[in-house]
Amino acid sequence: QSVLTQPHSLSGTPGQRVTISCSGSNSNVGSNFVYWYRQLPGMAPQLLIYRNSERPSGVPDRFSGSKSGTSASLAINGLRSEDEADYFCATWDDSLSGGVLFGGGTSLTVL
Amino acid sequence: QITLKESGPTLVEPTQTLTLTCNFSGFSLRRSGAGVGWIRQPPGKALEWLSVIYWNGDRRYSPSLKSRITITKDTSNSQVVLTIANMDPVDTATYFCVHTAQYFDYLWWNPWGQGTLVTVSS
Repeated sequence: QSVLTQPHSLSGTPGQRVTISCSGSNSNVGSNFVYWYRQLPGMAPQLLIYRNSERPSGVPDRFSGSKSGTSASLAINGLRSEDEADYFCATWDDSLSGGVLFGGGTSLTVL
Repeated sequence: QITLKESGPTLVEPTQTLTLTCNFSGFSLRRSGAGVGWIRQPPGKALEWLSVIYWNGDRRYSPSLKSRITITKDTSNSQVVLTIANMDPVDTATYFCVHTAQYFDYLWWNPWGQGTLVTVSS
């Protein structure tokens, strides 16, 4: 069980806006940047959002990230069939046993 | 275009040492800020960051695995090698080699290799 909590699965229809949440605590999400990765079926993960809301070059502006307190969110506007994938959040944990943390992942289905 | 590819054994016996090699292209570990790391993903479980080595030789390890992991680089041959001692069935995972251009940003990994599945079993 990951320290960062994500919904196990979500679904949406084409064109819809979906939001994936990532909940943590003061020692991780609350005090550090959050990153988001997407893993298409059978593929390696790819960086989607870094430092809460920045997009690497090549990532469409349909994807956006935000953070408030100890929770972060990834929003996908104009959902497409190719967005069907697993999405992971990641952050740093400042506790003694901390370090890099990944969320358990959210499986997004496009109906 | 940056590419990375992992290689190594697919099956390791408990207590053995795992050695994985990452061969990369499209960048040099002589370039300031460049780094290569390792992340693993047990079947059906969350990703876990393991280690990173930078162009200047600086290296970092996951606190939970620090006693068992070693990372080295061969800059001339564009290779990074990860060894994990005393392997256990819980170490069964897909191991990814990853690139970073962000020195000391342990969360910025782009791109990733395709990954290699390592099973620990007798």
